Amino acid sequence: EVQLMESGGGLVQPGGSLRLSCATSGFRFSDYGMNWVRQAPQKGLEWISYISSGSGNIQYADSVKGRFTISRGDARNSLYLQMNNLRDDDTAVYYCARSVELQFHIWGQGTRVTVSS
Amino acid sequence: EIVLTQSPATLSLSPGERATLSCRASQIVRGYLAWYQQKPGQTPRLLIYDASNRATDIPARFSGSGSGTDFTLTISSLEPEDFAVYYCQQRASWPLTFGPGTRVDIK
Repeated sequence: EVQLMESGGGLVQPGGSLRLSCATSGFRFSDYGMNWVRQAPQKGLEWISYISSGSGNIQYADSVKGRFTISRGDARNSLYLQMNNLRDDDTAVYYCARSVELQFHIWGQGTRVTVSS
Repeated sequence: EIVLTQSPATLSLSPGERATLSCRASQIVRGYLAWYQQKPGQTPRLLIYDASNRATDIPARFSGSGSGTDFTLTISSLEPEDFAVYYCQQRASWPLTFGPGTRVDIK
């Protein structure tokens, strides 16, 4: 069974940092592009970052560019998101999602990030 | 950035009725459009990819159509479990973007 499980969310002050992880199983992780998608409370979905198989293509939404860094550890079947200089409007549930042709076929359950003083 | 507009914002229908949801792109996205369903408290689920292809295990009552800038998701006969929010998403250019969603409510 294909599974994605996010961790690392929590409460952080504005300007702080967090590192999210997404542990995967049930498929050959190194073959797939992976993404982070977030959803602010009572709001819609926002794609924020993509990393290709092999890490040769990395993309960010403008809202996080320069503050967030996506990476992957193929040996650990894991995806990461380093989030620095967090702002109030980064408060959201963060999902990792496996993509095929940049469409999100498999989603994790999400991890909640709250930025507040 | 390609902006996706979904209409209507809310659709109130009864079980058994047909639902027609629209997604319009600000630029041509060819057929590079997907549809997702999200129920309250749940993770989004891919329904349709590349405008008209049903994802794995998606019932045949869900269908997608369109190309260019105008797309439609049709639910031929609403089941109780179909009342949810539906999002479209384009992959034609970076950044990937989602529409704001259409909520399908029970009338």
